[in-house]
Parts: sequence; C-alpha cells; structure tokens
Amino acid sequence: DAGVIQSPRHEVTEMGQEVTLRCKPISGHNSLFWYRQTMMRGLELLIYFNNNVPIDDSGMPEDRFSAKMPNASFSTLKIQPSEPRDSAVYFCASSRTSSSTDTQYFGPGTRLTVL
Amino acid sequence: AQSVTQLGSHVSVSEGALVLLRCNYSSSVPPYLFWYVQYPNQGLQLLLKYTSAATLVKGINGFEAEFKKSETSFHLTKPSAHMSDAAEYFCAGTLSGNTPLVFGKGTRLSVIA
Repeated sequence: DAGVIQSPRHEVTEMGQEVTLRCKPISGHNSLFWYRQTMMRGLELLIYFNNNVPIDDSGMPEDRFSAKMPNASFSTLKIQPSEPRDSAVYFCASSRTSSSTDTQYFGPGTRLTVL
Repeated sequence: AQSVTQLGSHVSVSEGALVLLRCNYSSSVPPYLFWYVQYPNQGLQLLLKYTSAATLVKGINGFEAEFKKSETSFHLTKPSAHMSDAAEYFCAGTLSGNTPLVFGKGTRLSVIA
C-alpha cells in the first residue's frame, strides 16, 4: 500500500518565484496536514484539512502561503512570492480520522531552498 | 495550552547501552502522548502512543515509554541501542481529538560503535 506521496522531493528556486508543493494522501484517509520543519523552529503545523475542507490555517506564516485540497487525493501548498526564509523541509501527513489522537502518516518531505 | 518539552537536543550512546530520551508535558489534564521517529531523509513515523489505557506503552523496534502523571513525563527507553536506532525522535501531545498535535523540538540520537 503506497504511503503519503510528495513531490518534488527537492526544489531550488530564486527569491520572488512561485513554488508549488504537492501531496497525495493515503487512500481512505480523511485528514491532511502540512508541516514545516526548520532547525530553529522545529516542526510547525501550517494547516490541516478534514474531508477536503480547511479547518485551521492559523499556522500559515503570512498571505504568501496558500493551500488547497480540491479532492480527497490531492493537495497543494503554494508560496508566492518565495523568500529565503521559506527555506525548510515541508511535510505532508494524513490520518484516517479527524481526531488528533489518530496516527499521522508522513510523506518523505520536500526540501525547499530559496536563493 | 498543551506543550511538550524534550530535554536534550542531542543524545549519544554506545551500541548496546540503554537509550533514554526525555519528554515532559505541561497540562492539568492527562493528555494523549506520542513518540515519532525520523530517519535521515525520511518523514516521521509513529513509534508508540499513550491513550490512557496503560501507563507503560510498548512500541516498535523494542522501544517503550512510561506515562508518569506525578512527574508529567513520558520518557522513551530501549534497553540496548542498535546502530540502526540513530535518528531524530519527536515527542508530541494533544489534550483531545479536537486540538492539534503539538510536537517537541526533537532529540537527535547518535549510536557509537
């Protein structure tokens, strides 16, 4: 059974460019999470969806960040325009139910470098 | 608000030695607690979780953790470290299913041959 799939695995871009990160959750999972991991701040929850609906986006840093989940099998995280401080590893995770006590399954992450 | 604190950003042990990774939580209500492991260049995966059924929780790869309410702790242990245990370990917690999971800063475990 395939796990959470993220693409691309690595992204190098220049400041000001638009970046789109993609995620395919595990089939049958109802919740999807986007996290950002940096050395300074650790693992931060950016936004999560239940049944394709955004529930809490309070962790999204600013208006440059946006996330969508058009259907149960696909989500995107977009940064426009990108800045060097956005450099981080971005993880997508999914879980069977909307309860935060449920196990979250993480993808391999996208390492973003903004020059 | 729920928070978890991991003591020690880096722990180094010899192969075969005891592994002890510390996690303390802050809340007046016993939370749900988790340990996740992240191997190099991979996403996090669940090691074990505490959901109030039993205070001693056994996980994968020989790891276990004990919930101690009196100490507000949920330390992770393994009797004998293997080289393959070298990874980053994250403690996480939530008060209920309706509040987001909060992760600690992580502890990097090195295993020396």
